[in-house]
Amino acid sequence: DIQMTQSPSSLSASVGDRVTITCRASQTISKYLNWYQQKPGKAPKVLIYASSSLQSGVPSRFSGSGSGTEFTLTISSLHPEDFATYSCQQSYTMPWTFGQGTKVEIK
Amino acid sequence: EVQLVESGGGFIKPGGSLRLSCAGSGFIFSNLWISWVRQAPGKGLEWVGRIKAVSAGGATEYAAPVEGRFTISRDDSKNTVFLQMNSLKTGDTALYYCTTEPNDWNYAGFEHWGQGTLVSVSS
Repeated sequence: DIQMTQSPSSLSASVGDRVTITCRASQTISKYLNWYQQKPGKAPKVLIYASSSLQSGVPSRFSGSGSGTEFTLTISSLHPEDFATYSCQQSYTMPWTFGQGTKVEIK
Repeated sequence: EVQLVESGGGFIKPGGSLRLSCAGSGFIFSNLWISWVRQAPGKGLEWVGRIKAVSAGGATEYAAPVEGRFTISRDDSKNTVFLQMNSLKTGDTALYYCTTEPNDWNYAGFEHWGQGTLVSVSS
């Protein structure tokens, strides 16, 4: 199985900060990397698919990049509603696997 | 509006069985590939298994931890997918979500999710 490792596991940031989360795959997954946001008590919501494509309705302050084994999710300017847990997921080969999540907390 | 609603969760002793349901509305359910994803308390997301649309063969695949114990099926006449869970273990305790899986990952991720149904396995 492909292991997905996110860093950091958590971070503290302020409104307006630029935030970057990294996701590394244990083997190449081409561009097949998706990012999800999850708030407490809610289902995940897809933000980015295929590494860099923005899901419809997702604010443009979210962006994704990378290919192969290293990927990043960037929030260009953190809004109050962005405090949540972010998870990556590879869709290159089954079984689909997720990263452990990165919790973005208010500083 | 696309909607998925899970049901069937509850408390069960180790070794027991439970069947979860995922009912869909707002789209042509029979065209959908459906995955089950679970989340243990305070933990990350874990893919459990999926069922393809009947038009794509209706095949199922499972994650190794549940292979041989869990079975996914569908009844498109009722717009429902089922997750039959047998030989439950304490490690299966989690919130179980159903979600729509794209048949082409170039164009989507897991896009639509239910609210989840909680399964608690304990003696």
